[in-house]
Amino acid sequence: GIQVEQSPPDLILQEGANSTLRCNFSDSVNNLQWFHQNPWGQLINLFYIPSGTKQNGRLSATTVATERYSLLYISSSQTTDSGVYFCAVQLNDMRFGAGTRLTVKP
Amino acid sequence: ETGVTQTPRHLVMGMTNKKSLKCEQHLGHNAMYWYKQSAKKPLELMFVYSLEERVENNSVPSRFSPECPNSSHLFLHLHTLQPEDSALYLCASSQSANYGYTFGSGTRLTVV
Repeated sequence: GIQVEQSPPDLILQEGANSTLRCNFSDSVNNLQWFHQNPWGQLINLFYIPSGTKQNGRLSATTVATERYSLLYISSSQTTDSGVYFCAVQLNDMRFGAGTRLTVKP
Repeated sequence: ETGVTQTPRHLVMGMTNKKSLKCEQHLGHNAMYWYKQSAKKPLELMFVYSLEERVENNSVPSRFSPECPNSSHLFLHLHTLQPEDSALYLCASSQSANYGYTFGSGTRLTVV
């Protein structure tokens, strides 16, 4: 099956800092999504981005499908950005990476 | 509120109990999914339903039994679970198998 690798596994930032999270996948995919899981377990869809670049406020994402990776950019981080960020890719069913645990300190 | 509602939010059950998890989606989607999230493990796909028919079962033990009575509702029936089944159980839906997923808030299950 498709392998999904996310890096870094853990990231600690000071409030206001910028960061880049990476997702590599092992095969061509039809879809790719970025999710944020808050401390209460809620998985929130951030981007549906099988290719190209999208922006939503302080967040943006870029997927280069031909090179099998996606990047999630967080700018001017806030404490509410803390949580685990998952990349999920889909060929037949949706497969998740292990996530990046982000902690933003005030 | 994402449009996918899961109940209960928390559940504690004994190993001899029978309980059911419920998922309801209000998005008009026609595919629904159960995922299991254990501590320090990636989300694991358990069951896929498309147009109310099961299309995938990833070798899940028979003590987990899904039911999809219509395109808006999905259940996970639980019986004689083990402590290692304690996890967060997440339901998701999508317009079709190749569209983005929307997740519910999950049911945090503890088996004692």
